[in-house]
Amino acid sequence: DAKTTQPPSMDCAEGRAANLPCNHSTISGNEYVYWYRQIHSQGPQYIIHGLKNNETNEMASLIITEDRKSSTLILPHATLRDTAVYYCIAPNAGGTSYGKLTFGQGTILTVHP
Amino acid sequence: KAGVTQTPRYLIKTRGQQVTLSCSPISGHRSVSWYQQTPGQGLQFLFEYFSETQRNKGNFPGRFSGRQFSNSRSEMNVSTLELGDSALYLCASSLGHRETDTQYFGPGTRLTVL
Repeated sequence: DAKTTQPPSMDCAEGRAANLPCNHSTISGNEYVYWYRQIHSQGPQYIIHGLKNNETNEMASLIITEDRKSSTLILPHATLRDTAVYYCIAPNAGGTSYGKLTFGQGTILTVHP
Repeated sequence: KAGVTQTPRYLIKTRGQQVTLSCSPISGHRSVSWYQQTPGQGLQFLFEYFSETQRNKGNFPGRFSGRQFSNSRSEMNVSTLELGDSALYLCASSLGHRETDTQYFGPGTRLTVL
């Protein structure tokens, strides 16, 4: 897996946008970037993934830089329920990761009232 | 569509015992991966099964094993339990095991070894 680097913690005010950065400078041309989050003691929840283009779904937006060395997950209107650990992952390229996701320490996002 | 289910949700065992955890994947998913999560080591990959065959394995001792059945349901077994095996055990299912096959996680089984 490409190595990813995330800030250990971030704060966000409720109702504001939360922008979570991730550096993946060693990512290869065909490696996707996945984002998951984990609310305390629950299983990780899939959020979004992308390759080159920006992606948006009902949960979040993913902005990937043109050189693909970094990305930003955007939660447009953060709520208290978005408080969680957010993981940025780049599984092995080459077509088959054989189920292995390498989780780093992630970013602890705390949303304040 | 029902999500990934894991049973039991909580388990207490004593050192030296063995334990079997079960995972039912999302309908139609053929790949099941298992992870161990501890406060010290974080989320670590145990192994992955696809079409009843183990395709990938993490760096865990042989006391950790698993299997997958023809309906894609999977079990993992830990023998001769140690205190350090106390953890949240998570399984995830996906359609296949390519990097483009999104994994969806279950709620986990919390194992406490006394």
